[in-house]
Amino acid sequence: NAGVTQTPKFQVLKTGQSMTLQCAQDMNHEYMSWYRQDPGMGLRLIHYSVGAGITDQGEVPNGYNVSRSTTEDFPLRLLSAAPSQTSVYFCASRWGQRRNTGELFFGEGSRLTVL
Amino acid sequence: KQEVTQIPAALSVPEGENLVLNCSFTDSAIYNLQWFRQDPGKGLTSLLLIQSSQREQTSGRLNASLDKSSGRSTLYIAASQPGDSATYLCAASLVGAGSYQLTFGKGTKLSVIP
Repeated sequence: NAGVTQTPKFQVLKTGQSMTLQCAQDMNHEYMSWYRQDPGMGLRLIHYSVGAGITDQGEVPNGYNVSRSTTEDFPLRLLSAAPSQTSVYFCASRWGQRRNTGELFFGEGSRLTVL
Repeated sequence: KQEVTQIPAALSVPEGENLVLNCSFTDSAIYNLQWFRQDPGKGLTSLLLIQSSQREQTSGRLNASLDKSSGRSTLYIAASQPGDSATYLCAASLVGAGSYQLTFGKGTKLSVIP
C-alpha cells in the first residue's frame, strides 16, 4: 500500500517563483489536509478538504492555494514564493466523518527552501 | 482556541527504563487525542488514538491515557529501547460542526541511550 505520497521530497525556489506540491492517497479517504512544520512552531494547518470539490482554510492559508478535483489528489500551490515559506510540508488524510476513526495518515514530507 | 503543550521538550533515558511523556490541552471538549511518532526527516506515524469516551489505549509496549477533566494525556513506554528514539507528538481535536481539526503539540524528543 502506497498510503499518502508527496512529491517532490526536496525543492529549492527563488523568491517570487511559483510551484505545486503534489499529494496523492490511495486509501479512498474523504478528508485531506496540508500542514507546515517549522522549528519551534510545531505543525500548523494550511488548508484542508472534506471531499472532492470542497476546500477550506486552516490556520495559516495566506500565500497558498488548493483544489480538490478528485478524491485521490490534493495539490498545494505556492503562488509567489517567499522566504517565510521555507518549511517542511506534510500532506495528511483520513476517513470522513461518517466512517471516521480519527486516525490521520501522513506523507513523508516535502522540504522546501525559498532563497 | 485549543492549545496543546508537551513537557519536557527533550528527554534522555537509559535503555530498559519505563518512561512517561506528557501532553496537556486547554479545551476539554475534545473529539479524540492522538499520539504520533516522528523520526528525523520523516513523516508522522500514528501510534495510538483515544476517543473522547475512552480512558486509555494500548499497543504493545505503549499505553496512552486520557483525562479530559484535567486536560491531560500521557504516553507510557515500557522497557524503552534505542529504537524508540524519536520525537513524539500529541494532537487534540475539538468537537464541532463539520470536520474537526487537530491541534498539535510541539513534541518531546526522546533519546534512549544503549
